[in-house]
Amino acid sequence: KQEVTQIPAALSVPEGENLVLNCSFTDSAIYNLQWFRQDPGKGLTSLLLIQSSQREQTSGRLNASLDKSSGRSTLYIAASQPGDSATYLCAVRRSSGGSNYKLTFGKGTLLTVNP
Amino acid sequence: EPEVTQTPSHQVTQMGQEVILRCVPISNHLYFYWYRQILGQKVEFLVSFYNNEISEKSEIFDDQFSVERPDGSNFTLKIRSTKLEDSAMYFCASSEQTDTDTQYFGPGTRLTVL
Repeated sequence: KQEVTQIPAALSVPEGENLVLNCSFTDSAIYNLQWFRQDPGKGLTSLLLIQSSQREQTSGRLNASLDKSSGRSTLYIAASQPGDSATYLCAVRRSSGGSNYKLTFGKGTLLTVNP
Repeated sequence: EPEVTQTPSHQVTQMGQEVILRCVPISNHLYFYWYRQILGQKVEFLVSFYNNEISEKSEIFDDQFSVERPDGSNFTLKIRSTKLEDSAMYFCASSEQTDTDTQYFGPGTRLTVL
């Protein structure tokens, strides 16, 4: 059974700092990995999706990397801003085979960027 | 930009009552999903739906749950007889294809069972 763990559970940084959020998964047979942002009481906003064949994806100040063999992904946020404050979730999709569509989520990292 | 919408945003019901949660997926998407998040816990998969049938479901999705696409735009989740432990945020998601595409999530419906 796939388990997804995110470390740290919470992180507080001053504005402008670069930071890294970590995600690990127990079963390396994944199809893709997706990073989401969740604001309090709100839905999930997709940030980046990395296919299992890819090593990294970039979008603006965000860069996500994937090391499938070691079961790890990182989300790098450059020059953090107070507006980046949110919970960041990592989710993996199992390798295709039959109808394995579901995403398995980590519990998230609560990020606070202080002005 | 197209987005997934969900109604209502908050539903309060009595234990044992039936509830229907509604979702309008992104219009050209073919795959639809329901997830839930109990307060303070992880987001959990419930069910996926394609071509008018369930393609995968979790152990949570028992006989009390059902999904339907009653027309070309809506996707619904019905809970026949709600329990206290069904209280959660329910998220609908859709994707254009499953293999490579991002799942886009709606804002959620907060279900409170009293």
